[in-house]
Amino acid sequence: GAVVSQHPSWVICKSGTSVKIECRSLDFQATTMFWYRQFPKQSLMLMATSNEGSKATYEQGVEKDKFLINHASLTLSTLTVTSAHPEDSSFYICSASLIGQGAPGNTIYFGEGSWLTVV
Amino acid sequence: AQSVAQPEDQVNVAEGNPLTVKCTYSVSGNPYLFWYVQYPNRGLQFLLKYITGDNLVKGSYGFEAEFNKSQTSFHLKKPSALVSDSALYFCAVRDIESSYKLIFGSGTRLLVRP
Repeated sequence: GAVVSQHPSWVICKSGTSVKIECRSLDFQATTMFWYRQFPKQSLMLMATSNEGSKATYEQGVEKDKFLINHASLTLSTLTVTSAHPEDSSFYICSASLIGQGAPGNTIYFGEGSWLTVV
Repeated sequence: AQSVAQPEDQVNVAEGNPLTVKCTYSVSGNPYLFWYVQYPNRGLQFLLKYITGDNLVKGSYGFEAEFNKSQTSFHLKKPSALVSDSALYFCAVRDIESSYKLIFGSGTRLLVRP
């Protein structure tokens, strides 16, 4: 299957600082990438959908000014957690798929996830 | 609105026995259904999907799933479980009404005992 690379795998940052997580599709072009957050022993919560070259679409309740998403190219999307606080500590997972008209059957591939710990 | 339900938080089976992880769905229109597996501290790995065609879908690692339209189910199965199959399994449906995002079930933890 297709490979989605996520970096870093683990990051610890101080409260009040910002941290960036990268998501890359290595062997395919992803017009759409999705960012999820997962709490321990829970399902995935979709945070936002990012489309290459346009603004991300955030899910209800997700602060767009806190979780900045950029999708500048067909192979790279970034999530920046700004002014991080301990409650932002979580497992963040990105996913990517080549989305086009009539392609709901396309498989969405996931990165390995990034553990963020804010101290 | 599209949704999936995984009624079991945990499934326990003995190694070598068949396993079933249940999933039911609710969609408007044609369903696009997926199964993913997550190992501890890892991302999700794609197992299989149903788009159209044969109701029995075969996937990775010996897993298969049966699409049942009348029961609106898409149960994941494997004839002979391995201890290494122990993981968290997610059923998902594609939201064709909104950005084609995946809508996940709550997940089912599979524990295969030796």
